[in-house]
Amino acid sequence: AQKVTQAQTEISVVEKEDVTLDCVYETRDTTYYLFWYKQPPSGELVFLIRRNSFDEQNEISGRYSWNFQKSTSSFNFTITASQVVDSAVYFCALSEPFSSGSARQLTFGSGTQLTVLP
Amino acid sequence: NAGVTQTPKFQVLKTGQSMTLQCAQDMNHEYMSWYRQDPGMGLRLIHYSVGAGITDQGEVPNGYNVSRSTTEDFPLRLLSAAPSQTSVYFCASSSSSGTRKLFFGSGTQLSVL
Repeated sequence: AQKVTQAQTEISVVEKEDVTLDCVYETRDTTYYLFWYKQPPSGELVFLIRRNSFDEQNEISGRYSWNFQKSTSSFNFTITASQVVDSAVYFCALSEPFSSGSARQLTFGSGTQLTVLP
Repeated sequence: NAGVTQTPKFQVLKTGQSMTLQCAQDMNHEYMSWYRQDPGMGLRLIHYSVGAGITDQGEVPNGYNVSRSTTEDFPLRLLSAAPSQTSVYFCASSSSSGTRKLFFGSGTQLSVL
């Protein structure tokens, strides 16, 4: 069975601090996707990144960066120089394996509430 | 493009009432799904469909029915609402090829009294 663990329920930082959100996943499969979604106070789910299991390169997009380590089954998300607008719930998610007929089914972690204080 | 449209945004039901949450997408996506979001539990898959006429159960299907008569629409039916179904419901769609990125609707806040 698949599982995604986001051990940090809530994180609070002061603006301009860097913050890392942890994500650890469990799967027996070798081919899968990992995702991060952001849910701001308005409630919608905003796609941030997708990473496939073959690609362990770290990725940077502006103030956001992602560290995927297959050896430790982790896909951590770092926000550099955090801003108040980054305040949101962040979800990590794991897809079904590629071999599955429905690799679009996602298993979500319980989310991390990030609060950035001015 | 409107993307994924969910209606209503808010709904209050009494125990035992029935209702349908509507979901429509205009991206010609084959895959559609329903999730529910509860505090501290993330999102859990209720039902999904890989194409018109094909549906299957997710992690928490009890108390919900779905059908997929067209590519565009994927309604979620509560036949006899229970307080345990108080939740935020999200519909999502995805293309059959490519990134497997899910496009989510804006959500429906449902309260069952």
